Amino acid sequence: NAGVTQTPKFQVLKTGQSMTLQCAQDMNHEYMSWYRQDPGMGLRLIHYSVGAGITDQGEVPNGYNVSRSTTEDFPLRLLSAAPSQTSVYFCASMTGNTIYFGEGSWLTVV
Amino acid sequence: GDSVTQMEGPVTLSEEAFLTINCTYTATGYPSLFWYVQYPGEGLQLLLKATKADDKGSNKGFEATYRKETTSFHLEKGSVQVSDSAVYFCALRATAGRRALTFGSGTRLQVQP
Repeated sequence: NAGVTQTPKFQVLKTGQSMTLQCAQDMNHEYMSWYRQDPGMGLRLIHYSVGAGITDQGEVPNGYNVSRSTTEDFPLRLLSAAPSQTSVYFCASMTGNTIYFGEGSWLTVV
Repeated sequence: GDSVTQMEGPVTLSEEAFLTINCTYTATGYPSLFWYVQYPGEGLQLLLKATKADDKGSNKGFEATYRKETTSFHLEKGSVQVSDSAVYFCALRATAGRRALTFGSGTRLQVQP
């Protein structure tokens, strides 16, 4: 997982609160993405970006916002947290067919 | 759209047993195929990959062959160890469009001594 850094690793939120999951990579990759992992469902794509200033929706974008002001950073914002957003979140960057994942952020919404 | 189907787990084996985890996919064109492994409390690690038909990916004793005719990418290992206990994910990456990974639901492997 070298090169992709996610923070925080663990977070507990109350319903309705907002927060930002940070993701940074130092490999100068253009492509970055966010996934959520839920039991029995594998990883599902939330949002992705093909370069600075360009973002697009994945399979499950509702309730999340992203921006890509620099190549290095790709933060994921929860606007108004809901219990259904309790999950493990993974950021990834990619070059060619090689994908690098961060170590994950465990989020609980109560 | 693209999809990946994996056999349901958990798969429980004794040490030194033969492992097969089935994976089939639906995609247009010729996607790249991957197996990832996730150990408890950790992120995903790339185990192996194959980028074209009949390619065989291999790593740490695990193998998988890209079978275009059966749209499959089954994971095999001849002799599993307790340390192989983890969740295994099959995934594909399309050659056009979104180009993100599409994952299967994961298969938990438990290896008993």
